[in-house]
Amino acid sequence: AQSVTQPDIHITVSEGASLELRCNYSYGATPYLFWYVQSPGQGLQLLLKYFSGDTLVQGIKGFEAEFKRSQSSFNLRKPSVHWSDAAEYFCAVGASMEYGNKLVFGAGTILRVKS
Amino acid sequence: DAGVIQSPRHEVTEMGQEVTLRCKPISGHNSLFWYRQTMMRGLELLIYFNNNVPIDDSGMPEDRFSAKMPNASFSTLKIQPSEPRDSAVYFCASSLSLGTSNYNEQFFGPGTRLTVL
Repeated sequence: AQSVTQPDIHITVSEGASLELRCNYSYGATPYLFWYVQSPGQGLQLLLKYFSGDTLVQGIKGFEAEFKRSQSSFNLRKPSVHWSDAAEYFCAVGASMEYGNKLVFGAGTILRVKS
Repeated sequence: DAGVIQSPRHEVTEMGQEVTLRCKPISGHNSLFWYRQTMMRGLELLIYFNNNVPIDDSGMPEDRFSAKMPNASFSTLKIQPSEPRDSAVYFCASSLSLGTSNYNEQFFGPGTRLTVL
């Protein structure tokens, strides 16, 4: 069965500093990988996704992620964090099934941004 | 498009009462998902529908929980009777699923925050 591990529960970075959020997945086939962001009191918004092709994917809000099959990782990065990036970030792996698709989420990483 | 619509946004009820959460998926989407989010367990998939048919309800915690999708534009999640441990945020999401050769993202609603006293 597929699973996702986000080893960092909380991360604090200074505004303007670079950011990397870690994600490791377990899935037998080629994974569909996602990063979602959740602001307080809001639903989840898709940041970016990886299906195939170029292993470095660009998303919204200046985020990017790199798929590394050898490490079973899909880490999220941003070169310069803004205070508005403070939120909870979820990595997810998708399983394409005969009927519909399922997402399995990691536990999430809470990002705090200090000025 | 208005996105996924959920109602109510907040619900406070007393233990033992029936609770019904509602979801309107994005028009044209054929898959619908109900998730529950708690501090202890994170995001859990409760059930998902494809073309209005329940496909996998293995995440439904117990018989007190039931979900229906009478048509392509409406779904309900019902808890009867409710208990304090059901307090959580419940999300509905929808996507367009075209079989194993295609995978489309899930779009999430704003959630319903349920508090059972």
